[in-house]
Amino acid sequence: GAVVSQHPSRVICKSGTSVKIECRSLDFQATTMFWYRQFPKKSLMLMATSNEGSKATYEQGVEKDKFLINHASLTLSTLTVTSAHPEDSSFYICSASRPGELFFGSGTQLSVL
Amino acid sequence: AQSVAQPEDQVNVAEGNPLTVKCTYSVSGNPYLFWYVQYPNRGLQFLLKYITGDNLVKGSYGFEAEFNKSQTSFHLKKPSALVSDSALYFCAVRHTEAGTALIFGKGTTLSVSS
Repeated sequence: GAVVSQHPSRVICKSGTSVKIECRSLDFQATTMFWYRQFPKKSLMLMATSNEGSKATYEQGVEKDKFLINHASLTLSTLTVTSAHPEDSSFYICSASRPGELFFGSGTQLSVL
Repeated sequence: AQSVAQPEDQVNVAEGNPLTVKCTYSVSGNPYLFWYVQYPNRGLQFLLKYITGDNLVKGSYGFEAEFNKSQTSFHLKKPSALVSDSALYFCAVRHTEAGTALIFGKGTTLSVSS
């Protein structure tokens, strides 16, 4: 079946630094990818929809200048958390879409010290 | 706007007993409905989905779900629970429009005791 690879699985960084998370569709072309954020024991909140070759569409309340999304190709989307702060610590999950199906990455646990 | 409600934060069952995890949805038009399971510090694992057709959908690990349009529900069920079924379960809905995201319920923690 289709596989979505998300990297890194875990990252610890200092406050003020930037962190990049990659999401790759390994065996299919994903015209649309989605980024979710999950707080401990909470649901997944949609952050943004990423379309290849165009600007991402952010959900209300998500800071687009803090969470930079780049969908440079049909198999790669990246989420960069800029100037990370402890409140950005969370579990981030990407999802890649192809007609009729959605596939999820294994998630990235971000801890900002 | 689409939404999903999982009214129970936690469901407790004894091993071998049947389990039900409830989900209701609100969406304009015909929905795509999904169930996912998440183990600690892991991504989501797909269990099953309803797109169209038979209202009873069978999925992975012996789980099934019944789509009830009149009650706008999509409850997850399993005839005999296992301790290994203990996890966080998410119901999700997606608009039929291509390229739209899944909207998740808040999740229900299932605890199966031996």
